[in-house]
Amino acid sequence: DAGVTQSPTHLIKTRGQQVTLRCSPKSGHDTVSWYQQALGQGPQFIFQYYEEEERQRGNFPDRFSGHQFPNYSSELNVNALLLGDSALYLCASSSHREHMAVPYNEQFFGPGTRLTVL
Amino acid sequence: AQSVTQLDSQVPVFEEAPVELRCNYSSSVSVYLFWYVQYPNQGLQLLLKYLSGSTLVKGINGFEAEFNKSQTSFHLRKPSVHISDTAEYFCASNRRAGSYQLTFGKGTKLSVIP
Repeated sequence: DAGVTQSPTHLIKTRGQQVTLRCSPKSGHDTVSWYQQALGQGPQFIFQYYEEEERQRGNFPDRFSGHQFPNYSSELNVNALLLGDSALYLCASSSHREHMAVPYNEQFFGPGTRLTVL
Repeated sequence: AQSVTQLDSQVPVFEEAPVELRCNYSSSVSVYLFWYVQYPNQGLQLLLKYLSGSTLVKGINGFEAEFNKSQTSFHLRKPSVHISDTAEYFCASNRRAGSYQLTFGKGTKLSVIP
């Protein structure tokens, strides 16, 4: 089992550009969440996808959007990049059925994509 | 609003010494609490979680945490640390059942000194 995988590992963009980050969930998982971890900070929840729809969203502007594919993989898109978007972007996956069956089902995190905006 | 505060940004400790990483949460409703560990260039790994029941929670790698409702704390402890415990530790909370949204503290860097 490869676990949660993310690509690319590192990315450098300039202000105003657009970026797409990718995530493949752990085998058997159907739900993907995205987090932004700025340097020296804890991760912040961006949004969560299940059944190809955004189900929950954190306090992030509309420049942050996402997509989930039928194979449960997901993309995070960020438009009009700002310097402040520089961060580690983490993807987490889980099973929705198991998540709803217990008070909390573990989310498995990938290694992240390091985005640098110049 | 729900929040999690980690009181120490960095904690140096000698190998085989005990360690406590402090976490306080703020919420007007019941919460679920977690500790995650992040090794360099890796994602987050769940150490332990408190959902309900016994206030002393045991996790992986010899870590444990105690939920204290009156002090709104969830401190992480290990009686004897190893070099391999050097990492960043995050306390997190989840406000309600069914929510995927974790609220994280800013993290505590644990450095184990040989």
